Amino acid sequence: DTAVSQTPKYLVTQMGNDKSIKCEQNLGHDTMYWYKQDSKKFLKIMFSYNNKELIINETVPNRFSPKSPDKAHLNLHINSLELGDSAVYFCASSQDSGLGRNEQFFGPGTRLTVL
Amino acid sequence: EDQVTQSPEALRLQEGESSSLNCSYTVSGLRGLFWYRQDPGKGPEFLFTLYSAGEEKEKERLKATLTKKESFLHITAPKPEDSATYLCAVLRYGNNRLAFGKGNQVVVIP
Repeated sequence: DTAVSQTPKYLVTQMGNDKSIKCEQNLGHDTMYWYKQDSKKFLKIMFSYNNKELIINETVPNRFSPKSPDKAHLNLHINSLELGDSAVYFCASSQDSGLGRNEQFFGPGTRLTVL
Repeated sequence: EDQVTQSPEALRLQEGESSSLNCSYTVSGLRGLFWYRQDPGKGPEFLFTLYSAGEEKEKERLKATLTKKESFLHITAPKPEDSATYLCAVLRYGNNRLAFGKGNQVVVIP
């Protein structure tokens, strides 16, 4: 069973285009996240949603907009893509964003290449 | 700001040659320290969570330990399938942001 899934796996596009990445988790978790992993493999959080409510919004350009239609899905829409957006984007989910356990489980990643 | 520093950045081991990876952290109010394994082209895979100094956890050839300043991931008698990048991350009370280190890239040579 796939716990956290993302589509597409690879995304190649031209500068200036708009694209979306979709994420779904079947773990029944309340919190979902988007991370960006750059070319040096450094993993950094971008956004977090808890029960469809945005709770973390790091310093990310306004061109990036997350959307959570329900607590099992968190999509990432990117407008006006730039060369520097090329990276691997990971979705993750966890059971508890409060004082409890917070092991995050990651999806397989989406490799975005902007030409 | 939370800081996580992992060393060494890269490590080559002969099969069976035990070693340790270090994760030094600076965080005010540690809620948990996490170890993940990442294979090329894949997402990080959860290994361990450590919550307090003195705690230890084991899984097969891996053992994670925690002090107030650092964590070690000991790899005992590694096999080639243990080759991966090992990521350390910290979570502090008051927020839900996992702060990751840059990873330890381990290659185990048969």
